[in-house]
Amino acid sequence: GAGVSQTPSNKVTEKGKYVELRCDPISGHTALYWYRQSLGQGPEFLIYFQGTGAADDSGLPNDRFFAVRPEGSVSTLKIQRTERGDSAVYLCASSPWTTHYNEQFFGPGTRLTVL
Amino acid sequence: DQQVKQNSPSLSVQEGRISILNCDYTNSMFDYFLWYKKYPAEGPTFLISISSIKDKNEDGRFTVFLNKSAKHLSLHIVPSQPGDSAVYFCAATGSGGSNYKLTFGKGTLLTVNP
Repeated sequence: GAGVSQTPSNKVTEKGKYVELRCDPISGHTALYWYRQSLGQGPEFLIYFQGTGAADDSGLPNDRFFAVRPEGSVSTLKIQRTERGDSAVYLCASSPWTTHYNEQFFGPGTRLTVL
Repeated sequence: DQQVKQNSPSLSVQEGRISILNCDYTNSMFDYFLWYKKYPAEGPTFLISISSIKDKNEDGRFTVFLNKSAKHLSLHIVPSQPGDSAVYFCAATGSGGSNYKLTFGKGTLLTVNP
């Protein structure tokens, strides 16, 4: 079966531009997560969806970041007015439900470079 | 403020020997711990986990030990194989309403030499 896929794999943009990063979770997984991994750091939580709704967006760094999951499957992370500090690998993960005993399955990530 | 700390950025071992990767945490609300393995250009993949009600969990060559009083856990790989060479992340999550949120350490790069 297919795992979590993310597109594009790499994105280079200029400071101030708008970008969209897409995540296709594993089919049937109701929970979806976005994390950001900066150079030399571990992944940091951004946002969690249960179904279509954002159950926790407390990790989003500021209001330039927004994520949607309109049909409870594919999710898009949107970054407005990108800054050089936004450069990182953006990881998406999904899981069938949210309990301790349920691992999160990660995609390969999108490497965002803001020039 | 790092709540999950992996103080060794890298570790090098010989094939066939034991690899021991360490992790410390500061948040006493954490009650479930996971190890993820990451190869370059791939996402992290789940390796093994342990609940705070246990002090050991074993899966094949991989064993995780938890010392709650010391807020310390370790991952043992025996015997180590060259294919184990990867970055290993320790992660933790708490009870209650935010049990979906993984808090990761910075990772340890393990190199297993043939």
